[in-house]
Parts: sequence; C-alpha cells; structure tokens
Amino acid sequence: NAGVTQTPKFRVLKTGQSMTLLCAQDMNHEYMYWYRQDPGMGLRLIHYSVGEGTTAKGEVPDGYNVSRLKKQNFLLGLESAAPSQTSVYFCASTAVLVAKDKNIQYFGAGTRLSVL
Amino acid sequence: AQSVTQPDIHITVSEGASLELRCNYSYGATPYLFWYVQSPGQGLQLLLKYFSGDTLVQGIKGFEAEFKRSQSSFNLRKPSVHWSDAAEYFCAVGSQFSGGYNKLIFGAGTRLAVHP
Repeated sequence: NAGVTQTPKFRVLKTGQSMTLLCAQDMNHEYMYWYRQDPGMGLRLIHYSVGEGTTAKGEVPDGYNVSRLKKQNFLLGLESAAPSQTSVYFCASTAVLVAKDKNIQYFGAGTRLSVL
Repeated sequence: AQSVTQPDIHITVSEGASLELRCNYSYGATPYLFWYVQSPGQGLQLLLKYFSGDTLVQGIKGFEAEFKRSQSSFNLRKPSVHWSDAAEYFCAVGSQFSGGYNKLIFGAGTRLAVHP
C-alpha cells in the first residue's frame, strides 16, 4: 500500500520558470491538501480539495494553482516561480466516510524545491 | 482564530532520559488534537491523536499525550528517549469545516536532539 506519493522529490528552478508537483493517493480519500513547510513556521496550507473537480484556497495560496481532475490525484502548479517559493512541499489526504480514518491526514514524503 | 503554540524550538535530552514536549492551543470548541513526527528528509507520521474520551492517549513508539482542557494543553511525553527519537515534532489542532475536523493548524515544531 503506497499511501501518498509525491513526485518529484527534488527540483531546482530558475526564477520565472513553471512546474507542476504531482500528488497521488491510493486510499480512496475524499480530501486532499497541499502544504508548504518553512523553517520555524510549521506547515501552512496552500490549497485543498474536498472532492474531484473542486478546489479551495488555504492560508497561503498566492502564486500557486491546483487541479483535481481525478479523485486520486492533486496537482500543484507554479506558473512563474519566485525565490520566496523555495520550500518543502507536502501533500496530504484524509478520509471522510471511513470512520477509523476520519480526520487523520496522511502525508507524502515531500518535494524539496529551490528557486534560484 | 485557532492557533497552536509550541514554546520550545529546540530540546536536547540524553538517551534514556524522560521527555516532555509542550503544546498549547487556542480553539473555540472541543478540539481534535494531533502529534506528528518528522524524521530528517521524511514526511510527517502520526504519533497519536485525541478526539474525545480518556484524556491520556497512547501512541506509537512509546509516546503518550495528555489533554488538559483547563490549560489548553496537549503535551507529549515519553518516559525513556531512544537515539532514534531525534526528529522534529509537530502539534496540530483540527479545525472544523465541511462538517468535519478536516483542516489542520500546525505549531511551528520542536526539534529534538538526543545525546548518547
């Protein structure tokens, strides 16, 4: 059981370049999330999705876009990368309908992104 | 607004010593509370959770936490620390939306170092 898988694991971008981070989960979870982790700030929510075809803004959405065309995948896009987006990005998912898993978020291993 | 405070940024303990990591939260209703651990270069792993009932909860790896409503605290404890416990620890509170506690607010984290 793979759980939550993030690709790529590492990436270096130049300012202004674009890229897409992929998150895939095989647990049939309804909700998915993208966070960024910066030193001394914990994890902050960028965007989230409560189901296929729906997304919403989190705490720090500026400069990012997301899409959830399939239930198992949640994509995070950077259209024009900036040095301030250098961070570690985590994807998570959670179940809504399965009682024992409800409200527990399962995390991927992260993507370390550097923007030069 | 909901918030989580972890007062200690860094803690160093000797192997075999006891450990207590502090967490204080601000939340208007009965909270869902979590402790996650992040080993270097890894994603977040759930240690334990409190949803309701017994205020002393047991988790994986020999950790426990106690919910104290009067102090708005959810401190993590372990009686004897092992070198493999060196990691960063995050406390989080579940924020209700869409009918469930599905949005997490994280503290800034406490980095634990273990001396042999």
